[in-house]
Amino acid sequence: AAGVIQSPRHLIKEKRETATLKCYPIPRHDTVYWYQQGPGQDPQFLISFYEKMQSDKGSIPDRFSAQQFSDYHSELNMSSLELGDSALYFCASSPPGLYEQYFGPGTRLTVT
Amino acid sequence: AQTVTQSQPEMSVQEAETVTLSCTYDTSESDYYLFWYKQPPSRQMILVIRQEAYKQQNATENRFSVNFQKAAKSFSLKISDSQLGDAAMYFCAYLRDAGNMLTFGGGTRLMVKP
Repeated sequence: AAGVIQSPRHLIKEKRETATLKCYPIPRHDTVYWYQQGPGQDPQFLISFYEKMQSDKGSIPDRFSAQQFSDYHSELNMSSLELGDSALYFCASSPPGLYEQYFGPGTRLTVT
Repeated sequence: AQTVTQSQPEMSVQEAETVTLSCTYDTSESDYYLFWYKQPPSRQMILVIRQEAYKQQNATENRFSVNFQKAAKSFSLKISDSQLGDAAMYFCAYLRDAGNMLTFGGGTRLMVKP
């Protein structure tokens, strides 16, 4: 079965640089979620999109922005990167009318 | 705000034995969903089992089952016939009805001894 695709899988950036993470949901899933998992921590909700509109917002820094495109893929844009942004970033998706979230493999971002 | 608590940072079980992981949550909502996710060393988050709060019957998925006690706000995971591949971090998670944000517990690291 098709799964959520995230790219890149690993990313190394320097402080103050920008990064773009991409997410391709499971086909026919209409809702996308972004989570951040720091070392030794549980995942923290950042933001979600339903039918290309932002549906909910969590603890996402103002330096981060995201959007969902017409083909339902989503991008998380991160600017002015800080050392504390080093984390595993997950994208998840849900099918129409259902609530369970299926996670991608994550993008490991390292800021040096 | 909802909170999810996993009081066991680490658990260990002998292969083929049964183990139960605990989870409690706090909410004022009456309709919500509960999940257990498995995170193996690959760091992939894998959905193990789900429970709708309006269902009294406990969910079961093969060797995995839950004990959902709504009044006590408790949602434990039982793994039967434990296998080496079950070794992972297990997260309990809460989702309010019509919500988007999963709230996770701190996780329980399960070790399986051969």
